Amino acid sequence: GENVEQHPSTLSVQEGDSAVIKCTYSDSASNYFPWYKQELGKRPQLIIDIRSNVGEKKDQRIAVTLNKTAKHFSLHITETQPEDSAVYFCAASYRDDKIIFGKGTRLHILP
Amino acid sequence: EAGVAQSPRYKIIEKRQSVAFWCNPISGHATLYWYQQILGQGPKLLIQFQNNGVVDDSQLPKDRFSAERLKGVDSTLKIQPAKLEDSAVYLCASSSSSGTSGMSYNEQFFGPGTRLTVL
Repeated sequence: GENVEQHPSTLSVQEGDSAVIKCTYSDSASNYFPWYKQELGKRPQLIIDIRSNVGEKKDQRIAVTLNKTAKHFSLHITETQPEDSAVYFCAASYRDDKIIFGKGTRLHILP
Repeated sequence: EAGVAQSPRYKIIEKRQSVAFWCNPISGHATLYWYQQILGQGPKLLIQFQNNGVVDDSQLPKDRFSAERLKGVDSTLKIQPAKLEDSAVYLCASSSSSGTSGMSYNEQFFGPGTRLTVL
């Protein structure tokens, strides 16, 4: 069925270190993979997305990698800062523009 | 550009009562989504509209939930009667995606959500 698994559920890293969040998806036809950041009490906001025709995309301190063969994709945040603390959701597209979300990763940046 | 608007922002009702939520998507966005986000979980798609037609409502509990988008713009989501487990944030999102598979996906913009508490 349509499913997106996300790990870990909680992640704590020292300020300045890197954070990596991993996701897997079930449908080999999925071709769009957005990542959303949700701060407490706020709406999810897109931070980066990748389509299946590329393996990696970078935007300043944020990068996403995609392995279509293994049906894995990951979010990498380098030089983490306190404002990176939030819940991050990966998602994968399914037919008819449906987007299925993972359960989220709560990222804590430790001072 | 104005974002996705939702109202009300908060609603508290007793179980078995009815409630309705309203969403106004970004102008020109053909696709509208309603999600349920239970505390500590990711958004779960309830229903997806393309213009005024339903694309997917497989996860909508149709015995108590209904939604419409009559003119292909605003949408309402109704719960009747509400249960305790319906307590959640209800998020509306819209995108300019064309509704076909392939490389047509575009960013979904979320509204601020309606926090529903069922007592």
